[in-house]
Order: sequence, then C-alpha cells, then structure tokens
Amino acid sequence: QKEVEQNSGPLSVPEGAIASLNCTYSDRGSQSFFWYRQYSGKSPELIMFIYSNGDKEDGRFTAQLNKASQYVSLLIRDSQPSDSATYLCAVYNNNDMRFGAGTRLTVKP
Amino acid sequence: DTAVSQTPKYLVTQMGNDKSIKCEQNLGHDTMYWYKQDSKKFLKIMFSYNNKELIINETVPNRFSPKSPDKAHLNLHINSLELGDSAVYFCASSHGPHNNYGYTFGSGTRLTVV
Repeated sequence: QKEVEQNSGPLSVPEGAIASLNCTYSDRGSQSFFWYRQYSGKSPELIMFIYSNGDKEDGRFTAQLNKASQYVSLLIRDSQPSDSATYLCAVYNNNDMRFGAGTRLTVKP
Repeated sequence: DTAVSQTPKYLVTQMGNDKSIKCEQNLGHDTMYWYKQDSKKFLKIMFSYNNKELIINETVPNRFSPKSPDKAHLNLHINSLELGDSAVYFCASSHGPHNNYGYTFGSGTRLTVV
C-alpha cells in the first residue's frame, strides 16, 4: 500500500508566526507533490505543487521537497487566521494521486 | 463559470435505496475522478476515467458503479445503500492521467444514509 503520512494535529500557531506542515511518503517512484487546503465543509483547493528537490516559493507559501528522505513540507510565513484549515499533502505517480489524512492548522489572533 | 459541479450537494436516504450523484466539468479536462472523504477527512480514490475509459478502479464494493457518457461527465450510482456509505463524495478533474498540475475538485456531495 502506497502511503502518505501527515501529523493530524491540530497545529496551533499565533498570528504572524511561521506554520510548518510535514508529510512523508512511501512510494520512491513518486513524481509530483501537492499541497491542498480544505476549509471546513468545503472542497480541497490546490495551493502549491513541486516536482524537484529543493524549495519552491509562492507568496507566503514555501514547499520543500527531499526525495532522498521521501519528505515534503509546507511553510506558511506570516500566518493569518484565514489560513486556519486542514492541509492535505498529495503524492502523484503514474495515474495515481494519494492523499494524506491532513493536518489541521489553527492560527490564533 | 468554469468549474467542476456536482449534484446534489446533500443527499439523505434510507438504507437499501439506490441513488446517483452527477458530476460535470467544463474545464476541458480529459480525466475525471471520484473520491470518498470519510469522517476523519481521509480522501480515498474510488474511480478514475480518462476520455470515458476507466483507468483506476480501486477496491470498492460493486454496489458502486461509475458511468462516463462523455469526457465532461462522470456519474456515480450506488445500489443498496448502507450506513457505512455515509461520507462526502468529491468529483475532481485534471488535464490528463499523467497530469502534473493537480486536480480541480467539485464542491462535494454529503451523503447520509439513515
């Protein structure tokens, strides 16, 4: 079974802090890595994707990938209360997108 | 509006009934999916179609039958509903099965079996 593992949280950070979300995966052949944000009662929405080792920045979000360690992370700088949501890590290989169970993030004003 | 749209948004039904959920996308995507999200928020793939052809069929009860009349539509029919089928069902689409750009999800159908 190809697995994607995340700490379910909840992860609580104060407003303005950096939130760090982590994900590990078991399939070494995985090609693409995604972070989705899901607000309560809503559908997942794509916020970042990364294919290569290293960092990828988009505004306040930075995705980090280390294929040797089979590890992908998402950093959210200057966290805002509106960032409070569940963050889903997803890993793609050959027609197959697997999701982690998500980490619930709460940003406190 | 361009989107992935699902109907109905809510579905409450009794055990043993048969129900369908419809999904349509106007994004021009070739591949569509059905995911089930349980109470613990875990998203699990059920089916995937590429240009009306079934490409992923995970281990789900054969009471679940997908149908794709064309590449813009993927419907899910469920026979003999059981309590354990209660969940949120998400339809999604992407540019293709070898997609590297992520999925666009519909708004979900919350199914409650009583």
